[in-house]
Amino acid sequence: DIQMTQSPSSLSASVGDRVTVTCQASQDISNYLNWYQQKPGKAPKLLIYDASNLEKGVPSRFSGSGSGTDFTFTISSLQPEDIATYYCQQYDNVLPYTFGQGTKLEIK
Amino acid sequence: QVQVVQSGAEVKKPGASVKVSCKASGYTFFGYYIHWVRQAPGQGLEWMGWINPSSGGTNYAQKFQGRVTMTRDTSISTVYMELSSLKSDDTAVYYCARGVAGEIDSWGQGTLVTVSS
Repeated sequence: DIQMTQSPSSLSASVGDRVTVTCQASQDISNYLNWYQQKPGKAPKLLIYDASNLEKGVPSRFSGSGSGTDFTFTISSLQPEDIATYYCQQYDNVLPYTFGQGTKLEIK
Repeated sequence: QVQVVQSGAEVKKPGASVKVSCKASGYTFFGYYIHWVRQAPGQGLEWMGWINPSSGGTNYAQKFQGRVTMTRDTSISTVYMELSSLKSDDTAVYYCARGVAGEIDSWGQGTLVTVSS
C-alpha cells in the first residue's frame, strides 16, 4: 500500500494566519492527490483535486501544490469557519486509495 | 442537486453481518463510481472499495477481501455494502460517496455501525 504521511497532526493558528499542511507519499503518485475538509460530526468535503485544482464552490483562500511524493495544502488567510480536520488522499493506480492521518486545525 | 442518502444506524453482535444502503439522486447513476469509506470513533478515514454502478464491477481493499460485498440495484439507483463476520473494531461510521476515478466529490451523511455483544 502507498503510505501517506501528513504533518502536522494538529495545528493552532490565529484568524488571518497563513496555514500550511504537508503530505508525503511513500512512492511517486504523480498528481493523484486530493484534499478534504471534515468538520465534527459531518462527512468529508472535497476541497482540492489533482493536487492543485480547486473544487467548484470552494473559497479561493484554499490552495494545493506539489507532485510526485511531496504535496502542500495552504489556507492563505484562516477564517473561523475553517476549523476542521484536513485529510490528504492518494488515488494512484495501485489500490487501495489511502488517506493521510489527518491534521486537526484549531483557532489560537 | 446531487444527493447520496444512506440508511440508518445499526447495532450488530460480533459475528453478524450488516448491509448498508446508499441511494443516489440528482445525477446520472451510471456515470460515477460509488466508494465506501469508514471512520472508526476518533480515527481517520479508511477506504474500503468501490463499485461501478454501470457494470457492477467492484474493487475492494485487500484488508476487506472475503468480508465485504458491494452490489447495486439499478432500478432504484441504490448501492449496498455488506460486511460480514463483524468484530468490535468494525464499529465505525460508514460513508458511501460518489467518485470520478479517485476524486470523491459527494458524500452521504454516514451510517454508524456499532458492533457489541
